[in-house]
Amino acid sequence: QMHLQESGPGLVQPSETLSLTCVVSGDSIARSEWWTWVRQSPGRGLEWLGEITQNGRANYNPSLNDRVTFYIERTKNQFSLRLNSVTAADTAVYYCVRPVVDGVWSWFDLWGPGRLVTVSP
Amino acid sequence: DIQMTQSPSTLSASVGDRVIITCRASQSVASWLAWYQKKPGRAPQVLIYRASNLQGGVPSRFSGSGSGTEFTLTINSLQPDDFAIYYCQQYKSSPLTFGGGTKVEIK
Repeated sequence: QMHLQESGPGLVQPSETLSLTCVVSGDSIARSEWWTWVRQSPGRGLEWLGEITQNGRANYNPSLNDRVTFYIERTKNQFSLRLNSVTAADTAVYYCVRPVVDGVWSWFDLWGPGRLVTVSP
Repeated sequence: DIQMTQSPSTLSASVGDRVIITCRASQSVASWLAWYQKKPGRAPQVLIYRASNLQGGVPSRFSGSGSGTEFTLTINSLQPDDFAIYYCQQYKSSPLTFGGGTKVEIK
């Protein structure tokens, strides 16, 4: 059974870069064509950050103003997120998620437990 | 972006009650809508996809209906395990968006 686990610093300084990795265990990352990041904050609720495909092509939420980049490392069975120039508004629980493509876009059937990232001096 | 609005934001109910949560989209999403349940400290879990399809393993007391801009999630005979926050999500177009949530609390 596949599991997802986010990892990375829980505290990031303002204006710095937030980096998170999602390790896929129990099965191959190749089992899903796409992989997704979602975050939840008190101020913005649940927010889809975007998705990355097996060949590294990504779709991002425009609300992030080109601050985000996703990576995938198939040999390590993991994918990653980098969000630069962070502010307090980026404080959130970040989830890595497996999407189920239904039509053109997706709903989400498997979530990691989430990683709380706080942006603060 | 498609805005998703849920109502009510909080709902007080008792075990055994029938609960109805509404989700409205700012433009048509056809049937491309999912519902999730979220409990404190845990990740969301999908209940319903494509507006009315029950995800495997989800109890049959959960049901979804609607299309276009108005959707409902119904919980028949509310159980103690059902006290949680419920979210809708549209996947008609990017960026994918979620509703603000409906908290179902114990009356």
